[in-house]
Amino acid sequence: NAGVIQTPRHKVTGKGQEATLWCEPISGHSAVFWYRQTIVQGLEFLTYFRNQAPIDDSGMPKERFSAQMPNQSHSTLKIQSTQPQDSAVYLCASSPGQANTEVFFGKGTRLTVV
Amino acid sequence: GDSVTQTEGLVTLTEGLPVMLNCTYQSTYSPFLFWYVQHLNEAPKLLLKSFTDNKRPEHQGFHATLHKSSSSFHLQKSSAQLSDSALYYCARNSGGSNAKLTFGKGTKLSVKS
Repeated sequence: NAGVIQTPRHKVTGKGQEATLWCEPISGHSAVFWYRQTIVQGLEFLTYFRNQAPIDDSGMPKERFSAQMPNQSHSTLKIQSTQPQDSAVYLCASSPGQANTEVFFGKGTRLTVV
Repeated sequence: GDSVTQTEGLVTLTEGLPVMLNCTYQSTYSPFLFWYVQHLNEAPKLLLKSFTDNKRPEHQGFHATLHKSSSSFHLQKSSAQLSDSALYYCARNSGGSNAKLTFGKGTKLSVKS
């Protein structure tokens, strides 16, 4: 089991450009999450899918961020018109889906907007 | 609202001294509480989680006790090791069938010789 796989590991974009981040969850896990990690805010929840359906996107900045899960083996997080304040590590995670089960994280994509 | 508070951003200790990292939560119900640890350049991973029957979870010398009266789940270890240096996050679930975790801002533990 390779764990949660995120690509790319590092991405540099110019201000105003689009960034797409990819995630492959652990096979068989029904829940997929996206978090943003910064020194100041820690781990901020962005969005959550269960069985590919969007369940909770309460943490997503509405205007430029979107997430999709077209099939059970991958999810994408897209940021349009990137801004310097979007610079962060974006972490994808998956779990079997029950409320008290372990959530497994990928190593993240470090996004730098210049 | 439902939140998790970790009061210390950085804790610096000398090897061999006891560790205590604070975690309190706000909730309208009794959530499950978790501690995750993230070593440098690695993914966060589960360290321990609360039990429904109030047993005290333990792992790698760390333990935490869920105190519902004070809404706390502090992480403790009797003797810090250099390898314990890492970022520690306290988290809570969202209730019902929602598997989402809400995390605190994290505490960086630095253990020195």
